[in-house]
Amino acid sequence: NAGVTQTPKFRILKIGQSMTLQCTQDMNHNYMYWYRQDPGMGLKLIYYSVGAGITDKGEVPNGYNVSRSTTEDFPLRLELAAPSQTSVYFCASSRQGSSPLHFGNGTRLTVT
Amino acid sequence: QKEVEQDPGPLSVPEGAIVSLNCTYSNSAFQYFMWYRQYSRKGPELLMYTYSSGNKEDGRFTAQVDKSSKYISLFIRDSQPSDSATYLCAMSGEGNNNDMRFGAGTRLTVKP
Repeated sequence: NAGVTQTPKFRILKIGQSMTLQCTQDMNHNYMYWYRQDPGMGLKLIYYSVGAGITDKGEVPNGYNVSRSTTEDFPLRLELAAPSQTSVYFCASSRQGSSPLHFGNGTRLTVT
Repeated sequence: QKEVEQDPGPLSVPEGAIVSLNCTYSNSAFQYFMWYRQYSRKGPELLMYTYSSGNKEDGRFTAQVDKSSKYISLFIRDSQPSDSATYLCAMSGEGNNNDMRFGAGTRLTVKP
């Protein structure tokens, strides 16, 4: 089982560029999440989804968008990259809303 | 004041030592408490999952929750070099992952 797979692993963006961080899971989990992890800070929830076609904002959604057209995929879109979005982004999934989280290995994004 | 406080360390111990990792929190609504282990350049993985106050043991790992003091701990017995990682505490109110809050993580090194 691959679990949660994130691509790309690394990316450097210029200010104002756009990109999509990909996330796919093969565990048939309904719940999926996007977090960002900054030094000295805990993981912060950006967006989450409770199933295909249903998404909702987390703690820090500004500057990001998501979609969930299938159970497996949950891409995160950055429209106009800003230096404040330099971070490590983790996708996670869970079987139910209270089940333990399964994380991918992250995408390291630098915006310059 | 952060909702979850965790000493970032770094913490360095010799192999075989007992390690104590701690978090404090301010939100009395938290009822579900977790510890995640995160190796360098990897995503967090669940170590322990507990509900309300009390102790839970799993092999060399023991999690303790003291809700009256808003204090949680993770003990690692007979620590091994393979335990070298960052340990994140996490907690949620009704067991919904979308309201989970994470500590910033404690970096642990176990020296052979």
